[in-house]
Amino acid sequence: DTAVSQTPKYLVTQMGNDKSIKCEQNLGHDTMYWYKQDSKKFLKIMFSYNNKELIINETVPNRFSPKSPDKAHLNLHINSLELGDSAVYFCASSQESTGATGNTIYFGEGSWLTVV
Amino acid sequence: AQTVTQSQPEMSVQEAETVTLSCTYDTSESNYYLFWYKQPPSRQMILVIRQEAYKQQNATENRFSVNFQKAAKSFSLKISDSQLGDTAMYFCASSSGTYKYIFGTGTRLKVLA
Repeated sequence: DTAVSQTPKYLVTQMGNDKSIKCEQNLGHDTMYWYKQDSKKFLKIMFSYNNKELIINETVPNRFSPKSPDKAHLNLHINSLELGDSAVYFCASSQESTGATGNTIYFGEGSWLTVV
Repeated sequence: AQTVTQSQPEMSVQEAETVTLSCTYDTSESNYYLFWYKQPPSRQMILVIRQEAYKQQNATENRFSVNFQKAAKSFSLKISDSQLGDTAMYFCASSSGTYKYIFGTGTRLKVLA
């Protein structure tokens, strides 16, 4: 029954590795997001997809590549992991469309990535 | 540019007392929405309350209410009858017509027994 689910919840990996975080929402929403929360709890948007199309890319390094196979899924692949990538990554979704923003954004439980 | 500012990094309140968390925002949009989210130690982000900018009436949700001052671009959260379970990080957020929700830096609230 989880509305927004992401896996894995915890991930410890070495520098230089490539890893993916998967996200699925069963709310029927059109828009999905990836947010990064650093050690100071700053929550910053990385990407936003609307109906599988990239809407927002907030100057995230090219090593981060989101993929949306359908509007219910938004995965995040990270190449050549660096120490600074250690953070909690939150997937989220909302029902948005042009001219009808402001709906509640629902978050997954977060994926805690530690790069060693 | 859309910004959200929370000037109180940490606050504490005695159980059963009332506490107010501050938030100011800036946006060039005429149509926008404001939110307060709670993040307990479990990390799950939970919606506390939502305000539509075109509505003058302040939103309320049980023990949670907001003081929305549109001209001052202020959106504070009042928690009445604080409970131990209210201990969490609280994030203020705004949303406008760009598929983007901007979050403040958060206020860590501790409810003391």
